[in-house]
Amino acid sequence: NAGVTQTPKFRVLKTGQSMTLLCAQDMNHEYMYWYRQDPGMGLRLIHYSVGEGTTAKGEVPDGYNVSRLKKQNFLLGLESAAPSQTSVYFCASSSLRTGGFDEQYFGPGTRLTVT
Amino acid sequence: KQEVTQIPAALSVPEGENLVLNCSFTDSAIYNLQWFRQDPGKGLTSLLLIQSSQREQTSGRLNASLDKSSGRSTLYIAASQPGDSATYLCAVKNAGGTSYGKLTFGQGTILTVHP
Repeated sequence: NAGVTQTPKFRVLKTGQSMTLLCAQDMNHEYMYWYRQDPGMGLRLIHYSVGEGTTAKGEVPDGYNVSRLKKQNFLLGLESAAPSQTSVYFCASSSLRTGGFDEQYFGPGTRLTVT
Repeated sequence: KQEVTQIPAALSVPEGENLVLNCSFTDSAIYNLQWFRQDPGKGLTSLLLIQSSQREQTSGRLNASLDKSSGRSTLYIAASQPGDSATYLCAVKNAGGTSYGKLTFGQGTILTVHP
């Protein structure tokens, strides 16, 4: 199994440009998440989804939009990129297991630089 | 608001040593605690997940313990090897407050095992 994959791996944008990051998982997981990782800030949740067609805001949602049209895919969009969005973006997924047994699995990350 | 702290921030040990990484959290209302490994420029690999009612989990040379009431977890690595060099992150899944159901990450411990 491929697990969680992310496209692209690297990207450089100019301020004001837009782009979409794609996350795909082949584990039939219900939950999917987008995080950003910044030095000194750790990983922070941007948006998440508990199922196809549903999304919700996380800790740092401003400047981002997401969509979950298919269960296996979770897209993160930047409509007008800003230098503050320079970061490493991670996608994760987990199953709908109750009782705290829902382990999160992470993708390899996308390194985005906004100049 | 949940806060997760990892001590030490960095650790350098000779090969063969047994070592302990520490993780503490401020809110004991958690579903689980997960330990991850992150290699430079890579994504997160899940090492161990401890459900809130469990005391410890073991996988090979790794043993993680959880004391929910005191807000502490330790990751014990036996007979360390140079290949163990990486950043180790702990994260708690919150069972209360505004971060309900979300993961809160620590800043990580950078481990270097030298031959």
